[in-house]
Amino acid sequence: DVKVTQSSRYLVKRTGEKVFLECVQDMDHENMFWYRQDPGLGLRLIYFSYDVKMKEKGDIPEGYSVSREKKERFSLILESASTNQTSMYLCASVLPGTGGYGYTFGSGTRLTVV
Amino acid sequence: AQRVTQPEKLLSVFKGAPVELKCNYSYSGSPELFWYVQYSRQRLQLLLRHISRESIKGFTADLNKGETSFHLKKPFAQEEDSAMYYCALNSGGYQKVTFGIGTKLQVIP
Repeated sequence: DVKVTQSSRYLVKRTGEKVFLECVQDMDHENMFWYRQDPGLGLRLIYFSYDVKMKEKGDIPEGYSVSREKKERFSLILESASTNQTSMYLCASVLPGTGGYGYTFGSGTRLTVV
Repeated sequence: AQRVTQPEKLLSVFKGAPVELKCNYSYSGSPELFWYVQYSRQRLQLLLRHISRESIKGFTADLNKGETSFHLKKPFAQEEDSAMYYCALNSGGYQKVTFGIGTKLQVIP
């Protein structure tokens, strides 16, 4: 029944490493999103994509990039990981025009940068 | 710019007591509002949406455009309601959603 899958539940990386977070959905959704979730700050949008190879910056894109080569896969890239990127990262997807039905979220990737 | 405000980071109530989780929004257009819930060790999931006007797990939420509010209510809290609750606003193109900071609901047995 799992529809949005994030490949790693926990990751520990070193400062300066390039980090890839993967998200795959099997619902044929056009729109996909990456959020980070921090206590006291809620969910903040990093990037989103509304089609293959299309991407838009969210509210906090600095230090991140994304890749959407296939419809079902949306990758978040930390170009050079820093300790302030230690967080829970959530991927979500939704069909366009059906935002009223809400997002489907992945289970999250807890990233620790040391 | 759109904004969602949840004034309480933590709300503690006794089992059987009424619950009200507050949410106010700021948006110039016609809003689509949601409540999401995250139980311990589970993924974030949709609880309810204002357009459906439904009751889920005993929770209801009414959109009040005059007060720009979308408070979540339940008449009698249950222990299994303990979770993190997020109010969210869909602000148009691409279904980009703005979330509040969340309220942790703690139901005391």
